[in-house]
Amino acid sequence: KQEVTQIPAALSVPEGENLVLNCSFTDSAIYNLQWFRQDPGKGLTSLLLIQSSQREQTSGRLNASLDKSSGRSTLYIAASQPGDSATYLCAVGGANSKLTFGKGITLSVRP
Amino acid sequence: DAMVIQNPRYQVTQFGKPVTLSCSQTLNHNVMYWYQQKSSQAPKLLFHYYDKDFNNEADTPDNFQSRRPNTSFCFLDIRSPGLGDAAMYLCATSRGEGQGNEQFFGPGTRLTVL
Repeated sequence: KQEVTQIPAALSVPEGENLVLNCSFTDSAIYNLQWFRQDPGKGLTSLLLIQSSQREQTSGRLNASLDKSSGRSTLYIAASQPGDSATYLCAVGGANSKLTFGKGITLSVRP
Repeated sequence: DAMVIQNPRYQVTQFGKPVTLSCSQTLNHNVMYWYQQKSSQAPKLLFHYYDKDFNNEADTPDNFQSRRPNTSFCFLDIRSPGLGDAAMYLCATSRGEGQGNEQFFGPGTRLTVL
């Protein structure tokens, strides 16, 4: 059974800092990995999708990497802004596109 | 804009009173999913449809049912809601299955059970 872990559960950084959010998973036989953003009481916004054959994806200030063999992914956020404050969830895609989620990291960027 | 729409955004029901949550999509995607997310927990897949083919997760309670009358709409029926069913219910879609298929989520319906 796939398990996805995101540590720490919460993170507070000053504005402008570059930061890395970590995600680990137990079963390396994955189809893909998605990073999502969730604002309080809202749905999920897809940030990046990395296919199992890829090593990284970039979108604006975000860069996600995938190392299947070690069961790890990182989301790099450059020059963080207060508007980046949200919960970031990592989800691993398996057979039938089933996503297994981590509990998320709640990020607070202080002005 | 192509999107995933969920109605209502907030639903209050009484213990044991059946409730239906609605999801529609304008993306023309083949796959539609229902997830349950309890407070401060990870979303958990309940079931999904690939076209008309229904796929239930092994640990989804029988109390939860789903219908997909056409490509655009999918419904989540909770036959006898209990207090433990209070959660955010998230609908998602993807074009297909496999590594290139990104899932897109709606805004969610927050269910309160009194």
